[in-house]
Amino acid sequence: KNEVEQSPQNLTAQEGEFITINCSYSVGISALHWLQQHPGGGIVSLFMLSSGKKKHGRLIATINIQEKHSSLHITASHPRDSAVYICAVSKETSGSRLTFGEGTQLTVNP
Amino acid sequence: GAGVSQSPSNKVTEKGKDVELRCDPISGHTALYWYRQSLGQGLEFLIYFQGNSAPDKSGLPSDRFSAERTGGSVSTLTIQRTQQEDSAVYLCASSPGGSYNSPLHFGNGTRLTVT
Repeated sequence: KNEVEQSPQNLTAQEGEFITINCSYSVGISALHWLQQHPGGGIVSLFMLSSGKKKHGRLIATINIQEKHSSLHITASHPRDSAVYICAVSKETSGSRLTFGEGTQLTVNP
Repeated sequence: GAGVSQSPSNKVTEKGKDVELRCDPISGHTALYWYRQSLGQGLEFLIYFQGNSAPDKSGLPSDRFSAERTGGSVSTLTIQRTQQEDSAVYLCASSPGGSYNSPLHFGNGTRLTVT
């Protein structure tokens, strides 16, 4: 079993829909990262959080440390949001290296 | 520079040859990471630098892989005697501090193909 699990693996939505991607982890962490990887391969850091909730534009990330669970929400989704979304954790025992989930492929249709 | 720069963007090499991949991090970022992503696979950690030292190189898959960082800036990842299973996208990232307290900034990667 992977230490970081994401669901769903694939998600197709219609433009305008509210989207949720989930991430569960089984280890103690110092921080959790949400990354976005576009079809060209470039990776962008969306959020880094260790507690509570963060919001940036239409994106919201939450984390529940007790339940070892994080969610990434996209409001009013748009075709340009189509990408792979990756959850990664910085484990308490591993210093700075990140441990990655398998990613969620999101496709938003117009 | 504006972001993390990697070169070359693409590299095709014959099995058995050595390759060098370069990463130029954001100025002032003390932490530098190498990751790789094989086709259809997730991201895999290779090595982490803090300044010029590498406190964690546990992800290097074999002794054919080595990396160095000089002047707290540019890093090179060297793969000796390349094998077909080394084909992947090699990604570099930098951050002002460790990933436990700083977001990472990724380069666009080097796509390595070993024929």
